[in-house]
Amino acid sequence: NAGVTQTPKFQVLKTGQSMTLQCAQDMNHEYMSWYRQDPGMGLRLIHYSVGAGITDQGEVPNGYNVSRSTTEDFPLRLLSAAPSQTSVYFCASSYSRARWGYTFGSGTRLTVV
Amino acid sequence: SQQGEEDPQALSIQEGENATMNCSYKTSINNLQWYRQNSGRGLVHLILIRSNEREKHSGRLRVTLDTSKKSSSLLITASRAADTASYFCAKFDALDQFYFGTGTSLTVIP
Repeated sequence: NAGVTQTPKFQVLKTGQSMTLQCAQDMNHEYMSWYRQDPGMGLRLIHYSVGAGITDQGEVPNGYNVSRSTTEDFPLRLLSAAPSQTSVYFCASSYSRARWGYTFGSGTRLTVV
Repeated sequence: SQQGEEDPQALSIQEGENATMNCSYKTSINNLQWYRQNSGRGLVHLILIRSNEREKHSGRLRVTLDTSKKSSSLLITASRAADTASYFCAKFDALDQFYFGTGTSLTVIP
């Protein structure tokens, strides 16, 4: 099925560990983004990309890195996990940043202990 | 905050009733979008309304936009238990920023 695929669905990390959250889409969307969702906070933008080779910071980028080597993939790297990064992470993609609705993945629930 | 707010934060209605959720914002927008999120799932795009539009329909959903009041509303008619979810508005503003609100939690009681 076409859509946005996120892996893993669940992850527990120890403080200081690093990991990569994977995101892939097969809709040929140019725009991809990462959000985190915390209770009472809505969704906050971490990083986004308007095309292969182009990335930019969102509202809460600290502690996260991204790269966009292909149109399909947009991995999110946690450099040194902290308990404050415990959250649900969503990847979203779209034909454009502004003019179309976003397609979301099903999320990765991350716990940092 | 640029985000604006959804109102109410939580809403509980009987099946068959209409549900209305509101979204306010603070700066001028290019478009406003509504999303649904079922528990434990990702968000699903419902409707996008542009700043020069006043009303859009999709099935049982009706979205209105009042740019003079900086507000939008989502109406779900003849609600069903399957409509139980959180509903978010997201605003794309004139500064090219895109913000989600904190959502309205809708419970439809069978």
